[in-house]
Amino acid sequence: KQEVTQIPAALSVPEGENLVLNCSFTDSAIYNLQWFRQDPGKGLTSLLLIQSSQREQTSGRLNASLDKSSGRSTLYIAASQPGDSATYLCAVGDSNYQLIWGAGTKLIIKP
Amino acid sequence: EAGVTQSPTHLIKTRGQQATLRCSPISGHTSVYWYQQALGLGLQFLLWYDEGEERNRGNFPPRFSGRQFPNYSSELNVNALELEDSALYLCASSTQGFVGINQPQHFGDGTRLSIL
Repeated sequence: KQEVTQIPAALSVPEGENLVLNCSFTDSAIYNLQWFRQDPGKGLTSLLLIQSSQREQTSGRLNASLDKSSGRSTLYIAASQPGDSATYLCAVGDSNYQLIWGAGTKLIIKP
Repeated sequence: EAGVTQSPTHLIKTRGQQATLRCSPISGHTSVYWYQQALGLGLQFLLWYDEGEERNRGNFPPRFSGRQFPNYSSELNVNALELEDSALYLCASSTQGFVGINQPQHFGDGTRLSIL
């Protein structure tokens, strides 16, 4: 059974710092891995999707990497801003076409 | 382009009642996904509809059901409501399911269901 873990559960950093969020999964048989952000009381916004054949994806200040063999993904945020404060969720698309979700990392960027 | 819309925003019910939640996908999207986000439990996959058919179902009892209409909008029905059904129910859409498996899912803002 696929399990997705995100560490840390919460992170608080000063504005301007670069930071890394971690996601690990137990079964390497995945179709893709996606990173989302969720603002309080809102739905989810898709940030990056990495297909199983890819190693990384970039969008603006965000870079996500995928290492299937080790069951790990990282989301790198460069030059963090207060507007980046949100909960970040990773989800893996498994062989049953389901998204299996991590519990999220709550990120606070201090001005 | 209009995003995924869900209604109602909030829904208050009592134990044993039935709830109906609605979702309209992004124009051109044929797949609709339902998720439950309960406090302390994280996001759990509920149902996936594509082209009017139920394609996959998460580990939820049969009192959670739904359907997808010819215009690709969808309903989630929860019968015999229990206190633990209180949660945010999120709907997402994407392009055609099996082909679009590597397309991102776009989410609505959810329906918050509260059971008293």
